[in-house]
Amino acid sequence: DQQVKQNSPSLSVQEGRISILNCDYTNSMFDYFLWYKKYPAEGPTFLISISSIKDKNEDGRFTVFLNKSAKHLSLHIVPSQPGDSAVYFCAASASVRLTYSGGGADGLTFGKGTHLIIQP
Amino acid sequence: EAQVTQNPRYLITVTGKKLTVTCSQNMNHEYMSWYRQDPGLGLRQIYYSMNVEVTDKGDVPEGYKVSRKEKRNFPLILESPSPNQTSLYFCAAGTGSYNSPLHFGNGTRLTVT
Repeated sequence: DQQVKQNSPSLSVQEGRISILNCDYTNSMFDYFLWYKKYPAEGPTFLISISSIKDKNEDGRFTVFLNKSAKHLSLHIVPSQPGDSAVYFCAASASVRLTYSGGGADGLTFGKGTHLIIQP
Repeated sequence: EAQVTQNPRYLITVTGKKLTVTCSQNMNHEYMSWYRQDPGLGLRQIYYSMNVEVTDKGDVPEGYKVSRKEKRNFPLILESPSPNQTSLYFCAAGTGSYNSPLHFGNGTRLTVT
C-alpha cells in the first residue's frame, strides 16, 4: 500500500514559469511533510517542509501548500530556473506511530519522485 | 560542513561475493539509515539504527545486514549479493525526530552480475 503518492513521474515547465509538483497521502496519522530535491549522481537534499498545523510554508522561490482535508500537498517553484531541473521526492512522517509501518523510527515515508525538467 | 560519506561510489561485483558499503557521518547524529532507489519505486528503507548497537529492519531488509558499533559509522553488508540487489544505495543520518530532515550521502551504485 503506497501511503505517499506522486502521480506524475515527470513534469516539463518553461523557464520563468511556475512549477507545481503534487503529492497525495493516505495515512491520516502523517503530520509532517518534507520535500527533497535530487540531482543525478548526488544524494537527496532537504528543500522545504511543513507541519500539519500550517497550510502554507514559504522559502524564497519555494512554497509548499498543505490541504489536510484532501490529504494533498503541493510544491510551487516560482519562477522556475534551469537549476531546478531535478527529481523531487515528497516525504511524510508521523509524530505518533501506533503501529510499525516501515519508514524507520522517524516514520519517514517517501513518494516515488517527480522528475522536473525546466526548458529554456 | 555536515557530511554523510559513502564508499565506494560505484561497485560492480559478482553473485555471491560478500561486500560492504561504508557510511560515515560527522554530525554526531544518533539516527542513521540505509535506502535503496530503484526506477519506478522511489526510495525504500532497508535498515535503520537509533543509536549504537541498536538496529532495526526497514521495508526491504532481506539480503542485507548492518552494524552500528560506533555512532559515526553504519556499514551495509551484503553477505551473498544477488542481481536483484543491483540498485542505487543511499545512507542517511539525522536526529531521528519526526520533524527533522535527514542528511543523505551521495550514493553508491551497485551492480551485481
